[in-house]
Amino acid sequence: GNSVTQMEGPVTLSEEAFLTINCTYTATGYPSLFWYVQYPGEGLQLLLKATKADDKGSNKGFEATYRKETTSFHLEKGSVQVSDSAVYFCALMDNYQLIWGAGTKLIIKP
Amino acid sequence: KAGVTQTPRYLIKTRGQQVTLSCSPISGHRSVSWYQQTPGQGLQFLFEYFSETQRNKGNFPGRFSGRQFSNSRSEMNVSTLELGDSALYLCASSKDLILEKLFFGSGTQLSVL
Repeated sequence: GNSVTQMEGPVTLSEEAFLTINCTYTATGYPSLFWYVQYPGEGLQLLLKATKADDKGSNKGFEATYRKETTSFHLEKGSVQVSDSAVYFCALMDNYQLIWGAGTKLIIKP
Repeated sequence: KAGVTQTPRYLIKTRGQQVTLSCSPISGHRSVSWYQQTPGQGLQFLFEYFSETQRNKGNFPGRFSGRQFSNSRSEMNVSTLELGDSALYLCASSKDLILEKLFFGSGTQLSVL
């Protein structure tokens, strides 16, 4: 069946560092891919999405490119801030349901 | 524009009891889906409703059920609660059929003692 695998956390970085959170997927066909973020004490929010191969989703300085050849959707940001500390979830859409990765906790130190 | 509203915010129940959780979607949204979030299992899909019809159901026992009303509000019910049902239950709504963007509520934190 379809599945999503993302790198285990926590990931700890200093402010202004470069961020990559890896996400790979297994799916039949070409599902839409998403990154959601869960800030402490808050609900899940859509961060960005891509609906077809080679699409690049971007928001708030974060980017992810839908790579069909490597079945990946890695999240990147050039310069992280303390306010980016949160849990990040990679997900794919399959038959009206989101299939989630395990989540990666990101800690940014000043 | 009001967001997705889930009630109650917190619940404490004992084993064997049953519980009903409520979700009011964003106005105009006709799709409502439910997810269970636990530290061990992460986020898992429970079910999705569109215009009162269940379109998909996750791999949960029959003790977990849901429904959607004509005003798009949804409820989920868990009967014969078990300790392992302790979790954050999240509801999400979406406007369109293909669910390109889900809006999540803050969740109901259920503790089973």
